[in-house]
Amino acid sequence: DAGITQSPRYKITETGRQVTLMCHQTWSHSYMFWYRQDLGHGLRLIYYSAAADITDKGEVPDGYVVSRSKTENFPLTLESATRSQTSVYFCASSESNLNQQPQHFGDGTRLSIL
Amino acid sequence: GESVGLHLPTLSVQEGDNSIINCAYSNSASDYFIWYKQESGKGPQFIIDIRSNMDKRQGQRVTVLLNKTVKHLSLQIAATQPGDSAVYFCAETEGAQKLVFGQGTRLTINP
Repeated sequence: DAGITQSPRYKITETGRQVTLMCHQTWSHSYMFWYRQDLGHGLRLIYYSAAADITDKGEVPDGYVVSRSKTENFPLTLESATRSQTSVYFCASSESNLNQQPQHFGDGTRLSIL
Repeated sequence: GESVGLHLPTLSVQEGDNSIINCAYSNSASDYFIWYKQESGKGPQFIIDIRSNMDKRQGQRVTVLLNKTVKHLSLQIAATQPGDSAVYFCAETEGAQKLVFGQGTRLTINP
């Protein structure tokens, strides 16, 4: 049972480049989320998705794009990377919003923008 | 905006002792709370959750207490082990799935 996997685990790129972080879950969870984790800010929500083809902005969406063509995948794209986007990115998923279920996280992608 | 915070950024306890990690939340409408554990290089791992219609919930060696009157949440870990060393986050939400996370408390277990 793979659960939720993120790739790559580590990525170094340059400012202005486009970079895509991948997230795949095997639970068929409806909801998927992207967070960034920075010292002093904790976990902040970038985007989330309630189902395939449904996405919505979180707390810090600027500079990011997401898509959800399939339930199991939720890629996050930085269209033109900036140094301020250097961070650790976590993907999470959860079951239906009914009865409030916990989110389950991947092990993250550590992204460095030079 | 609404926020969730922690009273102590670091906590050290002796192996075998009990530990208590505290969390204050400001949104009185929050109705679902979660504790996560995060080890170095890993993602947050779900520990235990509690809904606002409860004031206590127990798991394996862990207990979460919710005091809605003072908007306070705590995580008790019994008989701590070296593997309990990690950063612990509380998170809260009001109805929807958008969690608000606290800054985290680093728990260190001393041998």
